Parts: sequence; C-alpha cells; structure tokens
Amino acid sequence: DTGVSQNPRHKITKRGQNVTFRCDPISEHNRLYWYRQTLGQGPEFLTYFQNEAQLEKSRLLSDRFSAERPKGSFSTLEIQRTEQGDSAMYLCASSASGAGYEQYFGPGTRLTVT
Amino acid sequence: AQSVTQLDSHVSVSEGTPVLLRCNYSSSYSPSLFWYVQHPNKGLQLLLKYTSAATLVKGINGFEAEFKKSETSFHLTKPSAHMSDAAEYFCVVATSGGYQKVTFGIGTKLQVIP
Repeated sequence: DTGVSQNPRHKITKRGQNVTFRCDPISEHNRLYWYRQTLGQGPEFLTYFQNEAQLEKSRLLSDRFSAERPKGSFSTLEIQRTEQGDSAMYLCASSASGAGYEQYFGPGTRLTVT
Repeated sequence: AQSVTQLDSHVSVSEGTPVLLRCNYSSSYSPSLFWYVQHPNKGLQLLLKYTSAATLVKGINGFEAEFKKSETSFHLTKPSAHMSDAAEYFCVVATSGGYQKVTFGIGTKLQVIP
C-alpha cells in the first residue's frame, strides 16, 4: 500500500480559472476527507465522504467548490472561478470507518492563484 | 460542538531537555484525541492517539501524551528533545460516534536549539 496520493502536487492558476484536484485514498479505507491549510494555520475541514456519499460539508465550502467520490474510491475537488483567497494547501485524508480510527494524510496539493 | 486549544503557538527548547506541548479540548461526546506532526514540506504524520483505552498513550519517536478528563487536557511530552523533533505539532479532537467530525488545533511550532 502506497498511502494516500494527491495530484497534482502544485498548481498555479490565474484568477477566474477552474481547477480540479484528485485524491486516491488507501484502498481499504471507506472514509475520505478534504481539508484546506493556509500558512500558519491548522488544517480546516472542508468535506467528508463515507464511500460515495458526501455526508458533511463545511460552511467554508462555498458554491464555487464541489467534491465528488463517484465510485467510493478516488475523489476530486473542483474549484470554479478561482480567487486569490483560494491559495492554500489542499489536503486529503482517508480512514477506516468506526470510532477512533486515525486519518492518513496525503502530501497535499499547493494551489497558487495569481 | 467541539474545539481544540493549543496553548502555545511557539515552543523553544534546548536539545536534550524535556518537551511539553499543551492542548485543551472541548467535546460534547466522548472524544478521540490525536497528535500529528508536520515537518517542513512534508505531510502530516500521526504521532499517537487516545481512544478511551489507557489514559497514558505512547507514540512514535519517544513522544507520549496523557488524557486527563477532569482537566480536558491532552498534553504531549518527550523526555529529551532531538534536533529532528523541530516541526509543527497539531492536536486533534474527533467525535467517536458514527460520523467522525475532526477539528485541528492551530498548531505549535517546536524549535530545538543545539
């Protein structure tokens, strides 16, 4: 098992463009999480999937953000009409279901909006 | 509702001296608690976790933490700091019910002085 992977690792885009990030969780994990981390802050929860169902979304996730996990395996996070304030590290994590299972994090995708 | 307070944003210790990183939590449910470490330009790595078993939890690299329900604390300690411990440390609280809502603290940056 190679752990959680995320692609791309870095993305530079111009304001107003759309971007899409991909996360491949650990294969046997049915929970998948997206977080956003800005400099000097802890990761902030964005959304959570159990299998293919999106069960929770933070109010941080504006209408410009959408996430999918169509077959309960990999997930995508799309940001439409990017703004400079979207510049951040986007982290994906996965875990087994059940109480107390730790999350395993991917390396993140660093987004820079110019 | 749940929250995490990391009481120090920066901690500086000399190599070979003890480390104490403080964390207080608030949770409406019986929580699971975690400490993660993030080295510069690296992903988040789990140090240790508490999930209602033993209150003194041992983790990797000589770290340990004690869950104190009466004080709602989960402080991270290490008897002797190494240079390689310099990193950012995050305290995390998670509900242990069906959906695992996760909240990160803002992080404590540990500096180790030679």
